[in-house]
Amino acid sequence: KAGVTQTPRYLIKTRGQQVTLSCSPISGHRSVSWYQQTPGQGLQFLFEYFSETQRNKGNFPGRFSGRQFSNSRSEMNVSTLELGDSALYLCASSLAGAHQEQFFGPGTRLTVL
Amino acid sequence: QKEVEQNSGPLSVPEGAIASLNCTYSDRGSQSFFWYRQYSGKSPELIMSIYSNGDKEDGRFTAQLNKASQYVSLLIRDSQPSDSATYLCAVNAGTASKLTFGTGTRLQVTL
Repeated sequence: KAGVTQTPRYLIKTRGQQVTLSCSPISGHRSVSWYQQTPGQGLQFLFEYFSETQRNKGNFPGRFSGRQFSNSRSEMNVSTLELGDSALYLCASSLAGAHQEQFFGPGTRLTVL
Repeated sequence: QKEVEQNSGPLSVPEGAIASLNCTYSDRGSQSFFWYRQYSGKSPELIMSIYSNGDKEDGRFTAQLNKASQYVSLLIRDSQPSDSATYLCAVNAGTASKLTFGTGTRLQVTL
């Protein structure tokens, strides 16, 4: 069974631009969660999508948004990029339940210049 | 107080020894607990999940949970140099799939 895939793997953007990241979950998984990982803050939860609905949201500004499609694929968007948005963005997929195991994709490394 | 706390390490153990990694959490409503391994430059890889008090063994790995003490640990038996990585403890306290992570413990297995 194929794992979680994320595209692109690397991105370089400049301040003020926007970016869209994509995540395809493991086949049969309906929940997709997004996390940001930085050296200073560690792994922080951004949001979770299940059945095309945002089920939970972390403590991030509204510049961070996401969506999920009917095939469970998910995208996250960051608008008006700031230098501090440079991070590894990780997507994790799980089965439907809240306490299921989550499996991470390889991540997208975003650098904001 | 951080929600999930881990000693950042590095924890250095000789090859073949038992590595003991510890994690405490603050939310008494936490229901599921996970250990992830992360190699430098890679994404986290799930090693163990545990949901009820006691021990859970999988190969060389044993996860231990004590909800009364709000404590979860990971034991790695017969440690190998390939086990050298950062180990992340994650906890889920809510009704959705939000994981709260500790900052991770860096493990070094020496020859």
